[in-house]
Amino acid sequence: QKEVEQNSGPLSVPEGAIASLNCTYSDRGSQSFFWYRQYSGKSPELIMSIYSNGDKEDGRFTAQLNKASQYVSLLIRDSQPSDSATYLCAVNKRGAGKSTFGDGTTLTVKP
Amino acid sequence: DGGITQSPKYLFRKEGQNVTLSCEQNLNHDAMYWYRQDPGQGLRLIYYSQIVNDFQKGDIAEGYSVSREKKESFPLTVTSAQKNPTAFYLCASTADRGLVSLQPQHFGDGTRLSIL
Repeated sequence: QKEVEQNSGPLSVPEGAIASLNCTYSDRGSQSFFWYRQYSGKSPELIMSIYSNGDKEDGRFTAQLNKASQYVSLLIRDSQPSDSATYLCAVNKRGAGKSTFGDGTTLTVKP
Repeated sequence: DGGITQSPKYLFRKEGQNVTLSCEQNLNHDAMYWYRQDPGQGLRLIYYSQIVNDFQKGDIAEGYSVSREKKESFPLTVTSAQKNPTAFYLCASTADRGLVSLQPQHFGDGTRLSIL
């Protein structure tokens, strides 16, 4: 079992819809959680950080964390074609000094 | 503006040749990382360093070497022992100190390495 798993994708949604991206992790010692967006041929960029259970909203993006169930999700409301990218989930374990990344989910938003 | 500079953007390696990828940051970050990304795949950790003159192997360190002589610099050498080096190489840093793992990673623009 991988330490961090993301829904395999690819995921395709129409413009204006809600895109839902999921990530599960295996280590209960995980303490910080991140979503990165990576456009084709580019480097990842941070879009959300979340550290405690519940929802965190930033514009059209909402990150949800449930430590008991060991999952973190990213919702993108009113999806735009410019949201088409690969989304990487990253999880930091306490004392590890590094992040563990999922393999990413590729999202396509169709006009 | 602070950031991470990777050079060159594109690099070609001949058989039996070692090549070095540069990574420089002016963010005053202690922790630095090297990742490899193959087409359609996620990030795989090669080496990481929390402090000058110290570094640890990641998941795929074989065929690679690093040094950390200065806080700002973390060069990666792809040796001739790495038989399949063609990939996108990403350098990153965080503001974390020691083994604290709270901060997100800041990435450079990457280097694409190919075999001639």
